[in-house]
Amino acid sequence: GAGVSQSPRYKVTKRGQDVTLRCDPISSHATLYWYQQALGQGPEFLTYFNYEAQPDKSGLPSDRFSAERPEGSISTLTIQRTEQRDSAMYRCASSLDASGTQYFGPGTRLTVL
Amino acid sequence: AQSVTQPDIHITVSEGASLELRCNYSYGATPYLFWYVQSPGQGLQLLLKYFSGDTLVQGIKGFEAEFKRSQSSFNLRKPSVHWSDAAEYFCAVGYNQGGKLIFGQGTELSVKP
Repeated sequence: GAGVSQSPRYKVTKRGQDVTLRCDPISSHATLYWYQQALGQGPEFLTYFNYEAQPDKSGLPSDRFSAERPEGSISTLTIQRTEQRDSAMYRCASSLDASGTQYFGPGTRLTVL
Repeated sequence: AQSVTQPDIHITVSEGASLELRCNYSYGATPYLFWYVQSPGQGLQLLLKYFSGDTLVQGIKGFEAEFKRSQSSFNLRKPSVHWSDAAEYFCAVGYNQGGKLIFGQGTELSVKP
């Protein structure tokens, strides 16, 4: 596609529910990143993929967070048993390869009530 | 640990005035440095980047930044600000030309007529 897209743009959920966020990267891009951005803060790295491989998931805050990219294109970020502290903007970025410039999507605003 | 500091949380400048946004980093090796801009409802857009070579880099929208190794700084400048420049600006450092980025907390720019 022309740019990175994310869906949904907004998600409101109740504490304890599971949520899945989707990222559709630029079509030629091998590398995909997930970041979490709390209100008033800069984005913080969660994990990244090279095609379907996930070399680094050191930023995932707990085992409630998981991500996958099974076919090396679209990726999903799943948060199980959501907590209020998970409320944030979740940003996806893609790059041509692991040494390339990152292009960001519009983000998904998650609110956990 | 690597970190990025943007000392100014909020700056207000008059339209037509010059602008300088500060960014300091802490990193053991030669950094790769970026400035991104975030407008409301939009994703992060890359303004400019420094990998190596000339320490003064030009970006889009008339922005420039200067890398000063001795001061561990990468300040963003613009000679004449336009009302459309009002947005949040993020400085980031990377381990290499790609890879995960570490962001500062951002500087919100307001432009008064």
